[in-house]
Amino acid sequence: EDKVVQSPLSLVVHEGDTVTLNCSYEVTNFRSLLWYKQEKKAPTFLFMLTSSGIEKKSGRLSSILDKKELSSILNITATQTGDSAIYLCAGASDSWGKFQFGAGTQVVVTP
Amino acid sequence: GAGVSQSPSNKVTEKGKDVELRCDPISGHTALYWYRQSLGQGLEFLIYFQGNSAPDKSGLPSDRFSAERTGGSVSTLTIQRTQQEDSAVYLCASSLTGRNTEAFFGQGTRLTVV
Repeated sequence: EDKVVQSPLSLVVHEGDTVTLNCSYEVTNFRSLLWYKQEKKAPTFLFMLTSSGIEKKSGRLSSILDKKELSSILNITATQTGDSAIYLCAGASDSWGKFQFGAGTQVVVTP
Repeated sequence: GAGVSQSPSNKVTEKGKDVELRCDPISGHTALYWYRQSLGQGLEFLIYFQGNSAPDKSGLPSDRFSAERTGGSVSTLTIQRTQQEDSAVYLCASSLTGRNTEAFFGQGTRLTVV
């Protein structure tokens, strides 16, 4: 059965710290891995990683896909209180159209 | 529209009643998804529409749940004879082509069954 597992489930850091979030996947006919940030209700898109694009960066956020280890990490440097959110990763397959989401990592950044 | 629009934003209903949730995807997006998120849980896939293809209904939890997409645009998720365990946030998303394109989410409908 396809699955996506995120770790840790939650963490608390101080402003300025760096956080690393993990996502491992078992997805048949893997196509891509996506990261989302969820602050209230709507997840907002961060990155999509594929075989042809295994590393993405935007400002203080960056993400890498490790196809050998079937995993991805999301890094946030110089964290700010506005980074407090649930971070979700999702796997996509060539076998089906849905996105398979992990349970998410809740990040709390304290002043 | 500029983004995915869902209505209502909140819905409180009595157990046993039927509810309809609406999703208006981004204009031109051919793929549409419904997910639900129970308190403290991840996103649970419900149903996926892609163009004129038969929808993937594999995530619908029971035959009380159904969804349709009219004219390849607006979608309605219907829950019949609601139960308390149906209480959740129902999220709709759309993507340009469904394959190798990211999905954009609406603000969701928070359903509370009392």
